[in-house]
Amino acid sequence: GAGVSQSPRYKVTKRGQDVALRCDPISGHVSLYWYRQALGQGPEFLTYFNYEAQQDKSGLPNDRFSAERPEGSISTLTIQRTEQRDSAMYRCASSLGAASTYEQYFGPGTRLTVT
Amino acid sequence: AQSVTQPDIHITVSEGASLELRCNYSYGATPYLFWYVQSPGQGLQLLLKYFSGDTLVQGIKGFEAEFKRSQSSFNLRKPSVHWSDAAEYFCAVGASNAGNMLTFGGGTRLMVKP
Repeated sequence: GAGVSQSPRYKVTKRGQDVALRCDPISGHVSLYWYRQALGQGPEFLTYFNYEAQQDKSGLPNDRFSAERPEGSISTLTIQRTEQRDSAMYRCASSLGAASTYEQYFGPGTRLTVT
Repeated sequence: AQSVTQPDIHITVSEGASLELRCNYSYGATPYLFWYVQSPGQGLQLLLKYFSGDTLVQGIKGFEAEFKRSQSSFNLRKPSVHWSDAAEYFCAVGASNAGNMLTFGGGTRLMVKP
């Protein structure tokens, strides 16, 4: 079946522009996660949702970052007034259930470059 | 807060040789532990996981890992490496009392010599 998909796969934007990154989770998956991965590092948690409710946004770096999942399926991560330090791979994952024992399935990521 | 350390940034092994990738974690209670593999242009794929019970866990692609509480370690092993195993490997810890967020180590890049 279809896995987690993300779009766009690559995004180049100029400093100061807003960007929206999309995540399509596996159908029926309850939980959705966003991670950011800098070059040469492991993924770092940003935020997660159970259904449409944002459960934890403690990993969002500042108030330029926001995320939503209005219908409990597709999610959008928005970065306003982008800065060069926002350049990274943004990864989305989904899991069937909300408990920690459910496997997280990762998408291919969106490579964001801010020039 | 939990943390994960992967001491080896790069490892090179010959095809057919054995492999061990190190992972040390810090967490106050019993952790949930995972190993993921990331190939170029691909998402992260789960190799294996440990929640409880038998401390030696088997995963896909012939990998296994052993949880050692006394050493706070969860090292990944494979008896005979194939060229297709060249990739980046990430150890991660999850916590039952912190939602389902994963904390990842910095990763180990594995290169396989013919």
